[in-house]
This record gives sequence, C-alpha cells and structure tokens, in this order.
Amino acid sequence: GAVVSQHPSRVICKSGTSVKIECRSLDFQATTMFWYRQFPKQSLMLMATSNEGSKATYEQGVEKDKFLINHASLTLSTLTVTSAHPEDSSFYICSAPLWGGSTEAFFGQGTRLTVV
Amino acid sequence: AQKITQTQPGMFVQEKEAVTLDCTYDTSDQSYGLFWYKQPSSGEMIFLIYQGSYDEQNATEGRYSLNFQKARKSANLVISASQLGDSAMYFCAMREGTGNFNKFYFGSGTKLNVKP
Repeated sequence: GAVVSQHPSRVICKSGTSVKIECRSLDFQATTMFWYRQFPKQSLMLMATSNEGSKATYEQGVEKDKFLINHASLTLSTLTVTSAHPEDSSFYICSAPLWGGSTEAFFGQGTRLTVV
Repeated sequence: AQKITQTQPGMFVQEKEAVTLDCTYDTSDQSYGLFWYKQPSSGEMIFLIYQGSYDEQNATEGRYSLNFQKARKSANLVISASQLGDSAMYFCAMREGTGNFNKFYFGSGTKLNVKP
C-alpha cells in the first residue's frame, strides 16, 4: 500500500538554527502534500499545502518565511523551520493524498522537534 | 465555527466492552468525507474508517463501525470488544468536496483508555 516516509523522527536543535524535515511518498507520486503541527495533547493544525512545482499555500497565521516549504519533486516535500525558537518545539506531521483509489490520506510518522 | 467537534477529551472503557466516541461536524457542502484516525503515543496517524456523505450504509471495518447520522451531522465511532491496544488518541476528521486533495479538518481528539 501507499507509504509516506518522514525523516527525522526526532530532532533536537539549538535556538537560532534551522531544521529541515523531509516527507517522501515511497510508491506513489504526490503532487500535493499537507504539513500539520500538533502541540501536546492537542489536535493537528494544518500549516500549509505543498504543491509540486509551485508555491505552497499557507494557512492564516502561519509565517511563510519561518516555515519554508519546498516541493521540488513528485515524491518529496520539505519543511524547514528557520531560526528555530523554543516555541517552535512541536510535533510536525505530513500527509499525502492519492489520485483516485483510496480516499484516505496517508501520513508520515511525524517529527518531534525540540528547540533548546 | 468549529468544523469538527469532539466533546469527550477522555474516555475509559473496560476491556472487551464496546465504546462510542462522539463526533459532530459542520459543513454546508453536500459532498464530504468523514474519517477516524487513531494516534498512539508514538505519534503516527493510523487510518481506521471512512464514511462518504452519500453512503447510505454505515461504514464498518472489523471492530470499528461508524454511526453516521446525516441529519444530526454526527459521525460517532463505535469500537466493539475493546482491547488494551486500543488505548490511544482518536481523531475525527472531515474533508469537504469530492477530491482527495482537499484539506482535512480535525477535531480536538478523544483519549481512550482501555482498562484490563
């Protein structure tokens, strides 16, 4: 079945540094991917929609210069948290839908980011 | 207004008993899809069940069934014969429209604890 692989699963970084999170569709082409953020014991909040070959669409209140999204190929989208601060510590998870076929969206395993 | 409402932050159920997790939704679209996902402590999102707005019969997947009451805009998840491994967060989600590429709206989740 369709698989979305997200890497890394955990990352600790220092304040002020940037962190890149990768989301790959392993056996299907994903022209669209979604990036979510989840605070502890809270729901998933959509941050942005990543579109292959075009600019990402950000949800209201999400700083696009802080959360850089690149969807350079049909199987890879990246989220870069720039100049990270402790308040950026969170669980980030991506998902990718399929053309036709199953209606479900396939999720990556998530990345737990801790900024110290 | 909230698109998805889950009013039970936490639920307890005795092992082998059935449990119902509540979900109500709000949309003016005629075509939409309703989903339930399970999120264990590891963070991954596990797809459980899907109900389309035009589906006349309630969806079932093994021990999971979805009690779809369209007029009441509710999509409750029923887990029969609870198992210890069912302890996790459960999210109800909705995708409006007909495409697989529309974004998901998630509820706040219900933490289910199965007692031995």
